[in-house]
Amino acid sequence: NAGVTQTPKFQVLKTGQSMTLQCAQDMNHEYMSWYRQDPGMGLRLIHYSVGAGITDQGEVPNGYNVSRSTTEDFPLRLLSAAPSQTSVYFCASSLGKQETQYFGPGTRLLVL
Amino acid sequence: AQSVTQPDIHITVSEGASLELRCNYSYGATPYLFWYVQSPGQGLQLLLKYFSGDTLVQGIKGFEAEFKRSQSSFNLRKPSVHWSDAAEYFCAVGVRAGNNRKLIWGLGTSLAVNP
Repeated sequence: NAGVTQTPKFQVLKTGQSMTLQCAQDMNHEYMSWYRQDPGMGLRLIHYSVGAGITDQGEVPNGYNVSRSTTEDFPLRLLSAAPSQTSVYFCASSLGKQETQYFGPGTRLLVL
Repeated sequence: AQSVTQPDIHITVSEGASLELRCNYSYGATPYLFWYVQSPGQGLQLLLKYFSGDTLVQGIKGFEAEFKRSQSSFNLRKPSVHWSDAAEYFCAVGVRAGNNRKLIWGLGTSLAVNP
C-alpha cells in the first residue's frame, strides 16, 4: 500500500493562477479531507468528503473547490490563487470521520 | 464552545528525561481523543487514541496518554525521550456536531530534545 499520496510536493504560483493539488489513497477509505497548516494556526479543515460523489465544506472553504468522482481520488482546486493561500496543504483519509486519519506528506504552496 | 488547548507552544527536554505534553478540551460529553506527531517536513502520524474503556492508552514509539474526565485532559507522556522524538505534537478531539461528528485540533506543541 502506498497509503496517501499527494502531488506536487512544492509549487510556486502567481496571484490569479489556478491549479489542482492531487490526492490519492489506496486503502479504500470512504472519508477524505483537505487541511491547510499555517504557523500558529494549527490544522484547519478546508473541505471533506464522506464518499464518492459527496463533498462538504470545512471551516475555511473559500477559494477552494473539491470533487470526489472516485473513492481513491480527492483533488483540491484553487480557482484564482491569492497570497493568503500560501500554506502547507495536507490530504488525509480514514475509514470514518472520527477514525484514525492517515495523512499524505503535504504540498508546500507559495503564491506570489 | 468546543475547543482544544495545548498550553505549551514549545518544550525543550534533555535526551533521557521524561516528557509530559498537556491537552485540555472543552466539551459537554466524553469525546474521542487522539494524539498525532508531525516530524519536520512530514505529514501527521497517529500516536494513540482513546474511544472508551481503559483510560490509560498505550501508543507507538513508547508513548502513553491518560484520559482524566474530571480534568477534561488527555496528557501525553513518555518516560525517556529520544532525540528522534523532536517533532510537533497535536492533540485532536472528536465531538458531536448536530447529526454529525467533527474533529477539533489543538495548535500543537513543538518538542526540542537536547543531547
